[in-house]
Amino acid sequence: DAGITQSPRYKITETGRQVTLMCHQTWSHSYMFWYRQDLGHGLRLIYYSAAADITDKGEVPDGYVVSRSKTENFPLTLESATRSQTSVYFCASSVPSNEQFFGPGTRLTVL
Amino acid sequence: QKEVEQDPGPLSVPEGAIVSLNCTYSNSAFQYFMWYRQYSRKGPELLMYTYSSGNKEDGRFTAQVDKSSKYISLFIRDSQPSDSATYLCAMSAETSYDKVIFGPGTSLSVIP
Repeated sequence: DAGITQSPRYKITETGRQVTLMCHQTWSHSYMFWYRQDLGHGLRLIYYSAAADITDKGEVPDGYVVSRSKTENFPLTLESATRSQTSVYFCASSVPSNEQFFGPGTRLTVL
Repeated sequence: QKEVEQDPGPLSVPEGAIVSLNCTYSNSAFQYFMWYRQYSRKGPELLMYTYSSGNKEDGRFTAQVDKSSKYISLFIRDSQPSDSATYLCAMSAETSYDKVIFGPGTSLSVIP
């Protein structure tokens, strides 16, 4: 399917476990982003990537790791999940412009 | 003070009403202003994009920017139940993706 997809859509995990959220886009967009969305905070940028093998921190990077070995994939890993990382996670992609295209989101619960 | 502020609502209006959604911001460097619409359990999608001050119209939607007051608005005319969603304002100082700041969103319900 064309577009941007995220998996899993829902995930429940326990404190201390490693979790990887996947993001895949078919547009060959150079830029990709990970956001978390929490009530009252809106969308906050975790990490972004300008191209394969180029990543940089956003506003709230602590506790997260990203990689981008291929243009179309941008996985986000929580190395040791904490309850404060319970959130809805959105992946987005764009060409170099402000218009970002968002995936459907992953709802993560950390018990 | 947050960089971008937005009344979270919820806002409930009857079908056919004119809706006004607003954001204020503190960073005078912002030049690019966007409105995203987010349906429940979906990702945000870009609705309107404006540069600098002025108005932009697209069908039933009008975006207004008043840089002197650091205030942006989205008007929805003849609102429909399908407009029920959360509306996020977003803004940036640059043309690139960098430092796009999102507001927390306003939840809108249009009642038939």
